[in-house]
This record gives sequence, C-alpha cells and structure tokens, in this order.
Amino acid sequence: QKEVEQNSGPLSVPEGAIASLNCTYSDRGSQSFFWYRQYSGKSPELIMFIYSNGDKEDGRFTAQLNKASQYVSLLIRDSQPSDSATYLCAVIPGSSNTGKLIFGQGTTLQVKP
Amino acid sequence: DTAVSQTPKYLVTQMGNDKSIKCEQNLGHDTMYWYKQDSKKFLKIMFSYNNKELIINETVPNRFSPKSPDKAHLNLHINSLELGDSAVYFCASSLRGFSEAFFGQGTRLTVV
Repeated sequence: QKEVEQNSGPLSVPEGAIASLNCTYSDRGSQSFFWYRQYSGKSPELIMFIYSNGDKEDGRFTAQLNKASQYVSLLIRDSQPSDSATYLCAVIPGSSNTGKLIFGQGTTLQVKP
Repeated sequence: DTAVSQTPKYLVTQMGNDKSIKCEQNLGHDTMYWYKQDSKKFLKIMFSYNNKELIINETVPNRFSPKSPDKAHLNLHINSLELGDSAVYFCASSLRGFSEAFFGQGTRLTVV
C-alpha cells in the first residue's frame, strides 16, 4: 500500500463546475496535510493546509479532512481553465517532526471551457 | 523577491561529471529540503537540514552530498553523474518541522 494515494486522472470538469480531488493516507498518526498545485514545468505551489478534522475554506478552495477514514480532499468551486494543473496531496507522517512530506502521485485536473 | 531560489534552472552534463546545485531562502525558515521529481512526476524527499544539521537522509546514493553553510543556504553536490540521475531537483524550506513547505523553481538535470 502506498503511503499517500491519489487517482492520477485526468479528471475533466467543465468550466464553472466543482472539481473534487481525493487523497488517502496510510499513517493513522499523521497530523499535517497539504495540497499543492503544480503547473507543467513549474514548481509545486501551496494551495491549502489542514490539521484538524472538518472543512477549511479559502476562496474557491475547500480542504476536507477525515482522520478516522484517513481521507483528505480538495474541492475547487467555479473551476476555471487556469485551474488545469496537477494537484499533489502531501502528508507529514505522525512519527515525523522533521517536516518530511510524503507526496501522492498527483491528480491531473483538466477544466474545459 | 524570490522566497526560495535555486541555481541553475537547467543543467545538462555528461555522465561521470560532478555538478552542484545551490539553494537560498530569504523566508527566515529553519528547515530546508531537497526533493527529487522523477520522469513520472513523483516527488520524493532526499535530504533535510534544520539549522545546518542534517535531520533527514533518505536512501540516496552516497554520490549525492548536501551541505548547509548556514540556515538560509542548502547546496547539493552530485559526483559521478549517471543517466538515472536525470530528474528535476527541488529545494524547499519550512519554518518548523510540521509546517507548510515552500518550493524553489527547480533544477532540471539532464545527464547525457
């Protein structure tokens, strides 16, 4: 079992729709969860981080965390073509205080005009 | 001002050569990292330094040697480059060990 798993996609949604990106992790003791966006040929860019169960909203983005199910998701409302990118889920394992990020393989999102 | 900057952005070199990548951050962070992104876009940690002390050393060939002269700088030296070392190498930094990390623009290394 991979430590952090994402569906590689591509996930295709029409402009204006809600894009839902999902991620599961294996380390039940994990405490810190991150979503990064990476455009082709660019570096990962932090979009959201979440530490507590529940929802966290920032503009059009909502991160959702369910530690009991070991599941974290990212919702993008009113999706725009500029949101087309690879979205990386990352987790800091529970045993780590070093900041070591474990990444999923990323989900490619395509927003079609 | 660029928060985490790496040089060079592109590096093309022949097998067997030795090369270095430099990284600097102006965020005042204590922890810096090297990550490698392979051809399948999978991002994996290689090393981490906290206040110039090595705290993460993943299973990486000993041809790779990081050095941190101070907490704002982290360099990566690679000896005897091999074809399989071709990848994008990202430097990153974070304020503390459990907080969010910010990435540099990456160095695309191509070994021919």
